[in-house]
Amino acid sequence: NAGVTQTPKFRILKIGQSMTLQCTQDMNHNYMYWYRQDPGMGLKLIYYSVGAGITDKGEVPNGYNVSRSTTEDFPLRLELAAPSQTSVYFCASSYDGNTEAFFGQGTRLTVV
Amino acid sequence: AQKVTQAQTEISVVEKEDVTLDCVYETRDTTYYLFWYKQPPSGELVFLIRRNSFDEQNEISGRYSWNFQKSTSSFNFTITASQVVDSAVYFCALSGLPGGYQKVTFGIGTKLQVIP
Repeated sequence: NAGVTQTPKFRILKIGQSMTLQCTQDMNHNYMYWYRQDPGMGLKLIYYSVGAGITDKGEVPNGYNVSRSTTEDFPLRLELAAPSQTSVYFCASSYDGNTEAFFGQGTRLTVV
Repeated sequence: AQKVTQAQTEISVVEKEDVTLDCVYETRDTTYYLFWYKQPPSGELVFLIRRNSFDEQNEISGRYSWNFQKSTSSFNFTITASQVVDSAVYFCALSGLPGGYQKVTFGIGTKLQVIP
């Protein structure tokens, strides 16, 4: 049972570089989310999707982009990495907005 | 807008003590859902419980219990006879419709340390 799979687990980026964080789920969930977790700040929603082809901004979308071409995949794109994007990123999925979310193991990103 | 407040940022207890983690929420929705998640030191987030706004019954699951009170907009979590394995960050979350699609808002978390 894979659940939600995120890659990579760790990454160091230089300022201005770009990268894509991959997320895939095998539970046929409609909703998918990207959160970032900073020390003492809890989880902040970056973007979310309620189904293939539909995405919407969360609390902190600036500097990120997403796409949802399939039900399974929800990649997060950082175009011009900045030190402020140093964080732990979590992808999650749920059947709908009222059911529990299943989380990936997280990606620790450092921008230097 | 919806908001979740976990006023206790860190709590330390000695093993076997009972501990209550507070969660206060704000929402304009009449229908909403509340959650608790656990994040152990290994980092993954684990779902503990979900409660909808129409169900104010308290729930007990082993050493865990939850007290939902709409009158005070609170959804508190109690661990009875705490154990070292309970050491983790605990997040309270609220799912509602502040505008557009359903959104989940997390509190900042309460770090619980259980000392042997």
